[in-house]
Amino acid sequence: DAGITQSPRHKVTETGTPVTLRCHQTENHRYMYWYRQDPGHGLRLIHYSYGVKDTDKGEVSDGYSVSRSKTEDFLLTLESATSSQTSVYFCATRQVDEQYFGPGTRLTVT
Amino acid sequence: QQPVQSPQAVILREGEDAVINCSSSKALYSVHWYRQKHGEAPVFLMILLKGGEQKGHDKISASFNEKKQQSSLYLTASQLSYSGTYFCGTVISSGSARQLTFGSGTQLTVLP
Repeated sequence: DAGITQSPRHKVTETGTPVTLRCHQTENHRYMYWYRQDPGHGLRLIHYSYGVKDTDKGEVSDGYSVSRSKTEDFLLTLESATSSQTSVYFCATRQVDEQYFGPGTRLTVT
Repeated sequence: QQPVQSPQAVILREGEDAVINCSSSKALYSVHWYRQKHGEAPVFLMILLKGGEQKGHDKISASFNEKKQQSSLYLTASQLSYSGTYFCGTVISSGSARQLTFGSGTQLTVLP
């Protein structure tokens, strides 16, 4: 358990609206990751961060942006939500080689 | 590229054994195994590093064949609590990012 919380845990939003998901960790891990999980696709990496203000793209980054102004917080923003972004979003942190996941946020875009 | 897991699903009776396989077309630095129960987050089980030893705890163990870029997860004398979806994740580079690419999962059901 890496002390990871995500907020909100559930959200329903309309197409075209901006959405921000928050990941908070208490373990001071340098690396943080955002994944989305969809049936049949497993977990896919959206963006990751390797330090404050240091971020990079993952496999499915289109339509998403991230920010990290403090070690403990990693934000994922959908600038203009689309129905294809309906998914479960997981945040993770890494200690040495092991990644630990937060509880997830279920996002529905109508 | 996504690793390939097999089988996609398996149903067992309590006490039976199961093997889940994970293969990659690329040379791997490490293989990670997770279990996820419905509606919950993936839970880390173990990691196998290139050049490392076979891992295990309790009745769950795993191996990593570096020549074939394959890993197998072994569940012996399965318990009801083993039910869930098992994912392998692979890392192809020892670079600092250690990006994980996950397979599509194996759904394991243990019946009484």
